[in-house]
Amino acid sequence: QVQLVESGGGVVQPGGSLRLSCSASGFSFSTSGMHWVRQAPGKGLEWVAVIRSDEGHKSYLDSVKGRFFVSRDNSKNTVFLEMTSLRAADSAVYYCAKDRGDSLEYWGLGILVTVSS
Amino acid sequence: DIQMTQSPSTLSASVGDRVTITCRASQGISSWLAWYQQKPGKAPKLLISKASSLENGVPSSFSGRGSGTEFTLTISSLQPDDIATYYCQQSYSFPLTFGGGTKVEIK
Repeated sequence: QVQLVESGGGVVQPGGSLRLSCSASGFSFSTSGMHWVRQAPGKGLEWVAVIRSDEGHKSYLDSVKGRFFVSRDNSKNTVFLEMTSLRAADSAVYYCAKDRGDSLEYWGLGILVTVSS
Repeated sequence: DIQMTQSPSTLSASVGDRVTITCRASQGISSWLAWYQQKPGKAPKLLISKASSLENGVPSSFSGRGSGTEFTLTISSLQPDDIATYYCQQSYSFPLTFGGGTKVEIK
């Protein structure tokens, strides 16, 4: 069965950095695009970034461009989200999700990121 | 960016009722629309893709319709296990965008 497990979250000060990881299993990771989606406490879902299977295409939410960077290691079935210059508004549960082209087919359990002094 | 507008934001209905959630896109997205169910403290779960294609294992009480700019998600007979927040999402163009969500409650 498909499993997506996020890690690397925690509390960080404004202006700080954090690297999230998402470990995947149960499907062909190397041929799958992967997304990051976030959800601020009590709020709705917000798409953050996508990386295609061969890293040939990456796309970002405007508010994180130049601060967040998505990458992947197909040899380790892992996708990463490097987050820099963090702001309070970036505080959220971050989910990784498997792309199917027409939808986000499977989601991880999520990891909490809190930006606070 | 394509804006997705869901209505209502909250819906209260009785067990067995037929409920409908509407999602409108700010521009045409053909059938590139998905619906997700999110229960409290859980990750979203894909229910419907391509506007009307039910995912494996999703009860047939769920159905989706629409194309272009207007879409609906219908639960034909509301059950206690359907209590959740429902989101629409367009995959027509980046950035992917979600509707604001519809919280479904039992009256």
